[in-house]
Amino acid sequence: AQTVTQSQPEMSVQEAETVTLSCTYDTSESNYYLFWYKQPPSRQMILVIRQEAYKQQNATENRFSVNFQKAAKSFSLKISDSQLGDTAMYFCAFMKHDRGGADGLTFGKGTHLIIQP
Amino acid sequence: NAGVTQTPKFRILKIGQSMTLQCAQDMNHNYMYWYRQDPGMGLKLIYYSVGAGITDKGEVPNGYNVSRSTTEDFPLRLELAAPSQTSVYFCASSQRGARQPQHFGDGTRLSIL
Repeated sequence: AQTVTQSQPEMSVQEAETVTLSCTYDTSESNYYLFWYKQPPSRQMILVIRQEAYKQQNATENRFSVNFQKAAKSFSLKISDSQLGDTAMYFCAFMKHDRGGADGLTFGKGTHLIIQP
Repeated sequence: NAGVTQTPKFRILKIGQSMTLQCAQDMNHNYMYWYRQDPGMGLKLIYYSVGAGITDKGEVPNGYNVSRSTTEDFPLRLELAAPSQTSVYFCASSQRGARQPQHFGDGTRLSIL
């Protein structure tokens, strides 16, 4: 079974600053996918970014980027030029490659990110 | 597109009552999932389905049942509601393939009193 650990229950930064959220995972799988989801107060689950474990290049999506360290089983999310709308819970999630994703996502407990004006 | 639609959005049940949480998607996705989110925790998988007529247990299936008679619908049934089932329930769907993103509904907040 897989486990996902997010060690920062809450973080707070000023608007326009850069912030990094940490995530580590444990698995015996060699091929898998990692995700960051955002959950604003509206409770929606919104995909932020995705990383394929077989790719060495770190994924980027506009102001969001990841630092994927496969050997260390680490998957951190960096948010640049943070905005008030980034205030939300952020969840790191894992999915095995085999069975085509049928087994669903394994989530961490989340990090509550607060962007201060 | 409506995406994934969950009903109801809120519900209060008494201990021992039963109810069905509805989930429908209009994206013709093969895979559908039910998760629960307890306060301060991440989502945990209850049941999943890879297609009509096929369902399987996730990490926390006890106290729940599901069915998948059509591609679009994936209802979650609570037979004998218990306080431990107080949670927010999310339905999600995706295309086949581990790299495919899951699309989530807005959740159902359920309280068992």
